[in-house]
Amino acid sequence: QKEVEQNSGPLSVPEGAIASLNCTYSDRGSQSFFWYRQYSGKSPELIMSIYSNGDKEDGRFTAQLNKASQYVSLLIRDSQPSDSATYLCAVGSGGYQKVTFGIGTKLQVIP
Amino acid sequence: DGGITQSPKYLFRKEGQNVTLSCEQNLNHDAMYWYRQDPGQGLRLIYYSQIVNDFQKGDIAEGYSVSREKKESFPLTVTSAQKNPTAFYLCASSTQAGGTGNTIYFGEGSWLTVV
Repeated sequence: QKEVEQNSGPLSVPEGAIASLNCTYSDRGSQSFFWYRQYSGKSPELIMSIYSNGDKEDGRFTAQLNKASQYVSLLIRDSQPSDSATYLCAVGSGGYQKVTFGIGTKLQVIP
Repeated sequence: DGGITQSPKYLFRKEGQNVTLSCEQNLNHDAMYWYRQDPGQGLRLIYYSQIVNDFQKGDIAEGYSVSREKKESFPLTVTSAQKNPTAFYLCASSTQAGGTGNTIYFGEGSWLTVV
């Protein structure tokens, strides 16, 4: 079982819609959760971090964490073509909080 | 500006050669990391260092070596023992070596191709 699982996609949404990206993780002791955006050929850039159950909003982005279900998601409201990228979920686990990355979900926003 | 600088951006290696990728950060971060990214496989950890003069193997350390003589620098050598080195290499750093909030920031990456 992979430690951090994401659907590789592609996930296609029309411009202006809400994109919902999902991630599950296997270690119940995980305490740190991150979403990164990676454009093709570029390095990942941090979008959001979340540590507590519930929602965290930053502009058009909302991260949702449910530790009981071992599930973290990223919602992108009013999706734009510039949001087309691969979104990486990352989870910190263990005493050292080693960060493990999922394979990423490719998002395509259709104009 | 503060950040993580990787060089070179593109590098070509001949069979049997060792090559070294440079990584420098001026963020005053304690921890540094090297990841490899291949299509469809996500990021895989090669080596990490929590403090100067100390480093640990990650998940795919075979064929690679590192040093951490200065807090700011964490070069990666891809040795001839690495049989399939063509990949995108990412250097990263974080403010602390572990614990909640261990947020990782990335450099721009280096593309290595075997010719």
